[in-house]
Amino acid sequence: NAGVMQNPRHLVRRRGQEARLRCSPMKGHSHVYWYRQLPEEGLKFMVYLQKENIIDESGMPKERFSAEFPKEGPSILRIQQVVRGDSAAYFCASSADRDSYEQYFGPGTRLTVT
Amino acid sequence: GIQVEQSPPDLILQEGANSTLRCNFSDSVNNLQWFHQNPWGQLINLFYIPSGTKQNGRLSATTVATERYSLLYISSSQTTDSGVYFCAVDPPFNNDMRFGAGTRLTVKP
Repeated sequence: NAGVMQNPRHLVRRRGQEARLRCSPMKGHSHVYWYRQLPEEGLKFMVYLQKENIIDESGMPKERFSAEFPKEGPSILRIQQVVRGDSAAYFCASSADRDSYEQYFGPGTRLTVT
Repeated sequence: GIQVEQSPPDLILQEGANSTLRCNFSDSVNNLQWFHQNPWGQLINLFYIPSGTKQNGRLSATTVATERYSLLYISSSQTTDSGVYFCAVDPPFNNDMRFGAGTRLTVKP
């Protein structure tokens, strides 16, 4: 039973390009969370999604960042016009439902903006 | 918002030693998890422990929810235990987990 999958594992983008990060939750999980980890820091919540719905995006930067979790396919975190400060590890987690609070994390995508 | 404090921030041990990592949180929580982030950056679930005590091999954890703290015990530490240990809590009426700053553990051979 595969865990949470994220791809790519490493992503290099030049300033101004777009970055797309994908997350496939664990089988049977319908709740997806995105977190960002800046160098030498803990993880910070960005957004919580269920299928076709953004439930809480209070941790998302107001501009350039968006997330979706379509009915079919993985959840996507999209960063437009990347800047050097976007360089970080982006982790996705999933849980079975909101009442099952245990979150399982993917391996992360390390974004480097040059 | 809820504050999560972990101590110590850094810990250096000799292989075979035991250690206790602490996580204090400032408000009631629905969930508490301990994670190990290995030197390659991967986050590994250690315990889902909103209350009580659990053991898994050389690791055990105790959460005293009424006193708002959790402890992670590592016995007979090994070099592969090195990395950062994070405590994360899930406050009521929130959709996210709040992470502490972590304890960086280095186990020397």
